[in-house]
Amino acid sequence: GAGVSQSPSNKVTEKGKDVELRCDPISGHTALYWYRQSLGQGLEFLIYFQGNSAPDKSGLPSDRFSAERTGGSVSTLTIQRTQQEDSAVYLCASSLTGNTEAFFGQGTRLTVV
Amino acid sequence: SQQGEEDPQALSIQEGENATMNCSYKTSINNLQWYRQNSGRGLVHLILIRSNEREKHSGRLRVTLDTSKKSSSLLITASRAADTASYFCATDAGSNYQLIWGAGTKLIIKP
Repeated sequence: GAGVSQSPSNKVTEKGKDVELRCDPISGHTALYWYRQSLGQGLEFLIYFQGNSAPDKSGLPSDRFSAERTGGSVSTLTIQRTQQEDSAVYLCASSLTGNTEAFFGQGTRLTVV
Repeated sequence: SQQGEEDPQALSIQEGENATMNCSYKTSINNLQWYRQNSGRGLVHLILIRSNEREKHSGRLRVTLDTSKKSSSLLITASRAADTASYFCATDAGSNYQLIWGAGTKLIIKP
């Protein structure tokens, strides 16, 4: 595709349910980032995938959060047993290497009710 | 974790004036990038400056980098209402070239 694609664009879920957020990066990009952003706030780093290296998961806020990147391409961020404080916009970005221009998707707005 | 700090946190100026935002960081870098975000969605890349560069221009944007002070500034000249957005800096100071982000500056251009 022409850019980074995220789905769904909006998700409303009940507290306690699990959700999966998907990111399709730009083909050939080895680096993939997940961020979380609350209204009016900065980017909160969640996880970083770079090629075949072990992902940097240091930003995941709890063990309810996990992410995988299959075949070095599509990535899925899973939040188990969602809580209201998980409500935010989840942004995915990819870049050719880790420190070149990052291309962002439009994000998934998650609302936990 | 974020190592960048940006100031000011918010800036409100009249249309036509120049806007300057600053970014400071803590460790050595290979490059520093500036991004813009409208409406809380995806960020858009504006400009990348390498550690061996001191100044870079792109249209109405001028970026400077002072590696001795570990700081960068973004100047937007002749501001327009459409420049209203949040601006973020990012450095590649993380392990494996991971981007590390500042907290952002909210810029409001008043007509």
